[in-house]
Amino acid sequence: EAGVAQSPRYKIIEKRQSVAFWCNPISGHATLYWYQQILGQGPKLLIQFQNNGVVDDSQLPKDRFSAERLKGVDSTLKIQPAKLEDSAVYLCASGRRADSAGELFFGEGSRLTVL
Amino acid sequence: QQQVKQSPQSLIVQKGGISIINCAYENTAFDYFPWYQQFPGKGPALLIAIRPDVSEKKEGRFTISFNKSAKQFSLHIMDSQPGDSATYFCAASLSFSSGSARQLTFGSGTQLTVLP
Repeated sequence: EAGVAQSPRYKIIEKRQSVAFWCNPISGHATLYWYQQILGQGPKLLIQFQNNGVVDDSQLPKDRFSAERLKGVDSTLKIQPAKLEDSAVYLCASGRRADSAGELFFGEGSRLTVL
Repeated sequence: QQQVKQSPQSLIVQKGGISIINCAYENTAFDYFPWYQQFPGKGPALLIAIRPDVSEKKEGRFTISFNKSAKQFSLHIMDSQPGDSATYFCAASLSFSSGSARQLTFGSGTQLTVLP
């Protein structure tokens, strides 16, 4: 099966600019996650979707970050306006079903550099 | 209470040696403990996982040891190979709410280097 697709792989912007990342999960996967991975740290959950709905967005900085999952498939993560501390790799992951034990399938990530 | 603490931050092992990475957690609601392996430029990939009703799980050269009373678990890589050089993350999983999807909390990672 095809893996989780993410784009763009790399993005360089200046602070206060906006950026959007796209994710296409594995076909049929019910759950979709966006994680932020700062260099040298473990992935930190930003938002979790189950089908179309948001399950948990408690760690999403909602004043600047937004995310949506269209028709329960693709998802976009937007940052506006970006700050220097947003420089990180943004990982998208999907899971087979709502009660999946915990195996997530990750994409290769979108590396953001904010200057 | 949602944290998973991982050590060491980095580890250098000779080829053929044993690599040991340790993790500790606080939240007793966690009920699934996977380890993920991440190579540079790639996303994390599931390596091996354990549930708390089992004290040990082995898959090939990889073994998880789980101590429920101490709230600790560890990854042992036997006969470590240069191809094992990667960053390893422990994680803990729970259901956000009854019937809903699970979420993972990751440790901070261990960068393993296996010398030839």
